[in-house]
Amino acid sequence: AQSVAQPEDQVNVAEGNPLTVKCTYSVSGNPYLFWYVQYPNRGLQFLLKYITGDNLVKGSYGFEAEFNKSQTSFHLKKPSALVSDSALYFCAVRDVRDDKIIFGKGTRLHILP
Amino acid sequence: NAGVTQTPKFQVLKTGQSMTLQCAQDMNHEYMSWYRQDPGMGLRLIHYSVGAGITDQGEVPNGYNVSRSTTEDFPLRLLSAAPSQTSVYFCATRGDRGNSPLHFGNGTRLTVT
Repeated sequence: AQSVAQPEDQVNVAEGNPLTVKCTYSVSGNPYLFWYVQYPNRGLQFLLKYITGDNLVKGSYGFEAEFNKSQTSFHLKKPSALVSDSALYFCAVRDVRDDKIIFGKGTRLHILP
Repeated sequence: NAGVTQTPKFQVLKTGQSMTLQCAQDMNHEYMSWYRQDPGMGLRLIHYSVGAGITDQGEVPNGYNVSRSTTEDFPLRLLSAAPSQTSVYFCATRGDRGNSPLHFGNGTRLTVT
């Protein structure tokens, strides 16, 4: 069975600094990996997904994610944080041999002005 | 193009009452799913369907029933509501490609007293 871990409940970053939101996963086969963002009182929006062969993938709003197969990680990154990036971020995984998409518990990102 | 539509937006039930949360999509996606979101627990998969007439259990299926008679609709039924089912419920669909991301509805906030 697949699983996702987001080890930090909350991450605080000063505006303009780089940010990282961590995600590790466990699957039996190869993974499909995704990041989503949720703004207050809103649904979930897709940010980016892992593309086979690309260890660094780019997504919406200047975000990118670094895939590391040996560490089974897919960390979300942004070179320069904005206050408007403050939101709840979810990592999700799907085993290529399964239909289910499983989410992590989420990490709340606070960007401090 | 409405995407994924959930009704109602808000609902208050008393313990033991039944209700159906509606989900409709106009994206012609075969895959549909239901998640619940609780603080500190992230999103947990309740049930999912890979096409009309086919449903399967997710991570937390107890207390919920689903059916899929058409491609467009995937209702979630609570037969006897319990306070533990107080949550925000999201319906989501995805395309057929392996790394297709989920498209979410705006959610239904359910309170069981």
